[in-house]
Amino acid sequence: KNEVEQSPQNLTAQEGEFITINCSYSVGISALHWLQQHPGGGIVSLFMLSSGKKKHGRLIATINIQEKHSSLHITASHPRDSAVYICAVLNTDKLIFGTGTRLQVFP
Amino acid sequence: NAGVMQNPRHLVRRRGQEARLRCSPMKGHSHVYWYRQLPEEGLKFMVYLQKENIIDESGMPKERFSAEFPKEGPSILRIQQVVRGDSAAYFCASSPNFVQYNEQFFGPGTRLTVL
Repeated sequence: KNEVEQSPQNLTAQEGEFITINCSYSVGISALHWLQQHPGGGIVSLFMLSSGKKKHGRLIATINIQEKHSSLHITASHPRDSAVYICAVLNTDKLIFGTGTRLQVFP
Repeated sequence: NAGVMQNPRHLVRRRGQEARLRCSPMKGHSHVYWYRQLPEEGLKFMVYLQKENIIDESGMPKERFSAEFPKEGPSILRIQQVVRGDSAAYFCASSPNFVQYNEQFFGPGTRLTVL
């Protein structure tokens, strides 16, 4: 069993829909990252959080430390949101990554 | 403030050759991390370095791979005698040099293809 599990693995949506990606982890962490990766592209850090909730534009990330669970929400999704979203937990000084959620948003 | 820089962006090597991947961290960052993303797989930690020191190399293959971060200049990930299975995207990340703040900033990656 992976130490970081994401669901769903693949997600398709119509433009404008509300999207949720989930991440569960089984190790002790000091923080959790949500990352975005476009096909063939680099990795962008969207959020780093250790408690509660953060919001940036149409993106919202929440974490529940007791339940070892985090969610990434995208409101009013747009085709340019199409990418792979990766959850990564900071365990001591290294990141442990989920396998990613491939999101496609159609016009 | 320039971001994390990696070069080359694309590298093609024949089996048995050496590959050298370079990473220049963000200004003021003295912690560097290397990650590997094999085709159709997730990212995996390889090594964590601070200036002139390897802190954690638990993710490095035991043979052919080495990493350094000298006092001056970029961090180097070196792969000797490359094999086809080394074909992957290699990402470098850096973080600031104070312990409590560990957000990592990623470079654009080097895509290694072994023929």
